[in-house]
Amino acid sequence: DADVTQTPRNRITKTGKRIMLECSQTKGHDRMYWYRQDPGLGLRLIYYSFDVKDINKGEISDGYSVSRQAQAKFSLSLESAIPNQTALYFCATSDTGRLAGGNEQFFGPGTRLTVL
Amino acid sequence: RKEVEQDPGPFNVPEGATVAFNCTYSNSASQSFFWYRQDCRKEPKLLMSVYSSGNEDGRFTAQLNRASQYISLLIRDSKLSDSATYLCVVNSPGGGNKLTFGTGTQLKVEL
Repeated sequence: DADVTQTPRNRITKTGKRIMLECSQTKGHDRMYWYRQDPGLGLRLIYYSFDVKDINKGEISDGYSVSRQAQAKFSLSLESAIPNQTALYFCATSDTGRLAGGNEQFFGPGTRLTVL
Repeated sequence: RKEVEQDPGPFNVPEGATVAFNCTYSNSASQSFFWYRQDCRKEPKLLMSVYSSGNEDGRFTAQLNRASQYISLLIRDSKLSDSATYLCVVNSPGGGNKLTFGTGTQLKVEL
């Protein structure tokens, strides 16, 4: 079984609709992240959470919100989807950083979202 | 200037060739450096961490030059299965484990 899972894997929706992407992990990690990937722009951080009570904005949080329901679950919401939110979305987890620079991040398989 | 810059490629090389990828980063306070591999339409996976002394893992060698803020990845004896996009990744200073990803360099190994 995969350690980091994302649902749905693919979603097509219309402008203005509310969408929720879900992420679950069985790695026991405290830290979870949401990224989007666009051609030519690489991975960009949307939100991150270092534990259940901690939520932080990333580089491109406008138009998105998150919820950390439990250590193992971190969901990303688009309250009113727009076409430029069409992208590949990845959830990732990492263990608590023992070094100042931090540790490896483990990624889910991704959700391909298309907003028409 | 981008925080992490890579040549996007693609690098098309014959099987058995040696290929090198370079990456530069802008923040001199960065402390952790990685190479991730991403296959088409798949999630990124850690290939190797990069240490100041340089490190090797089989056919892969990573080096870091802090003075020049430059990271490299060398792949020897390229295999068809090495075809992928290689992402240069640097931690974002300021605490925690936030990473900044380069846009990736695409490698195509051909017969």
